[in-house]
Amino acid sequence: AIQMTQSPSSLSASVGDRVTITCRASQGIRSNLGWYQQRPGKAPKLLIHTASTLQRGVPSRFSGSGSGTDFTLTISSLQPEDFATYYCLLYNNYPYTFGQGTRLEIK
Amino acid sequence: QVQLVESGGGVVQPGGSLRLSCAASGFAFSSYDIHWVRQAPGKGLEWVSLIRFDGNEPVYADSVQGRVTVSRDNSKDTVFLQMNSLRPEDTAVYYCAKKREGTYGSGPLDYWGQGALVTVSS
Repeated sequence: AIQMTQSPSSLSASVGDRVTITCRASQGIRSNLGWYQQRPGKAPKLLIHTASTLQRGVPSRFSGSGSGTDFTLTISSLQPEDFATYYCLLYNNYPYTFGQGTRLEIK
Repeated sequence: QVQLVESGGGVVQPGGSLRLSCAASGFAFSSYDIHWVRQAPGKGLEWVSLIRFDGNEPVYADSVQGRVTVSRDNSKDTVFLQMNSLRPEDTAVYYCAKKREGTYGSGPLDYWGQGALVTVSS
């Protein structure tokens, strides 16, 4: 199975900061990657699919980039509601694989 | 609006069985693959299983292969996850989620249920 390495595992930032989270696949996955936000006690929410396509209703401060093996999620200007845990999801084939998660905390 | 509602969670002893249900509404259920994803307490997300729109070719993670069976009843817009020979490490919140596109093949998961907690403990 393809392995996903997500970094960093945790991140402290302030409102208004720009932050970047990365996922690296152990082999090429084209653009079959999504990004999810999960708030405590809630289900994950799809933010980005196909590596860079914003899911309908998601604010434009979220963006995704990359293809092949290296992918990034960028939040251009952090808002208070963005402090949560973020996961990448590889859906190139089965089994699907999630990254380990990045916990974004308020500095 | 799209809704997925899990039920059937609870406390079960090691070696026991449990069946989760995922009731769907608000979309053409019989056209979409449904996945199960779990999350152990304080841990990350783990993909568990897929059932295709027509009920064929289910796929399972290695961690549950042989102990879990996924099925669906398209007349009732419901997916089931039958879990047998449960282990303490199966303790998790189990989510069902809908594939974003109603096409054959893999794809992102867009709508998720609220989750059902399964606790395996003596």
